[in-house]
Amino acid sequence: NAGVTQTPKFRILKIGQSMTLQCAQDMNHNYMYWYRQDPGMGLKLIYYSVGAGITDKGEVPNGYNVSRSTTEDFPLRLELAAPSQTSVYFCASSRQASNQPQHFGDGTRLSIL
Amino acid sequence: AQSVAQPEDQVNVAEGNPLTVKCTYSVSGNPYLFWYVQYPNRGLQFLLKYITGDNLVKGSYGFEAEFNKSQTSFHLKKPSALVSDSALYFCAVRANTGFQKLVFGTGTRLLVSP
Repeated sequence: NAGVTQTPKFRILKIGQSMTLQCAQDMNHNYMYWYRQDPGMGLKLIYYSVGAGITDKGEVPNGYNVSRSTTEDFPLRLELAAPSQTSVYFCASSRQASNQPQHFGDGTRLSIL
Repeated sequence: AQSVAQPEDQVNVAEGNPLTVKCTYSVSGNPYLFWYVQYPNRGLQFLLKYITGDNLVKGSYGFEAEFNKSQTSFHLKKPSALVSDSALYFCAVRANTGFQKLVFGTGTRLLVSP
């Protein structure tokens, strides 16, 4: 019963490098989300998807891109990494209805140096 | 616009004592309210939610929360705290009309001392 799986767990990037954070869920959830968590700031929504082929911007999308080719996978792409993108990134998924809770992965801790 | 306030950065309580973690919200229309808990180096885990009906909601690990519409509050409570309850707690809200994004508070760290 894996739930939401994120890889890698930790990563250090140099300024200007690119990388993809992977997220997969096995609960057949239509909705998926990417958040970043900064100390004392709570969670900020980066991008979300309501189904395969459909994505939309959240609160803080600049510097990121996403794709959703399957129900299971929702990768987050960082292009030209900047120190401001140092954060902990969480992927989540939920059933379609708005009253359903989101299920979170254990996060990717990313440092940009 | 939706917003959540968790006025306390940290709550300290002795093991065996009751605990309360405060949350107030702002939303257009009726809210869906959630509490999540985060342990170190882990993702958020769902504790409980208020959708409609009874104002007292019971959730996982003995936690409960009371919805108060007039005070726009949704405080998390537990009658007897455990050391293992020490963690970071997040309140979240979304409006109950259409697809609305979930908005999180900034979190309250609960420290339960032996």
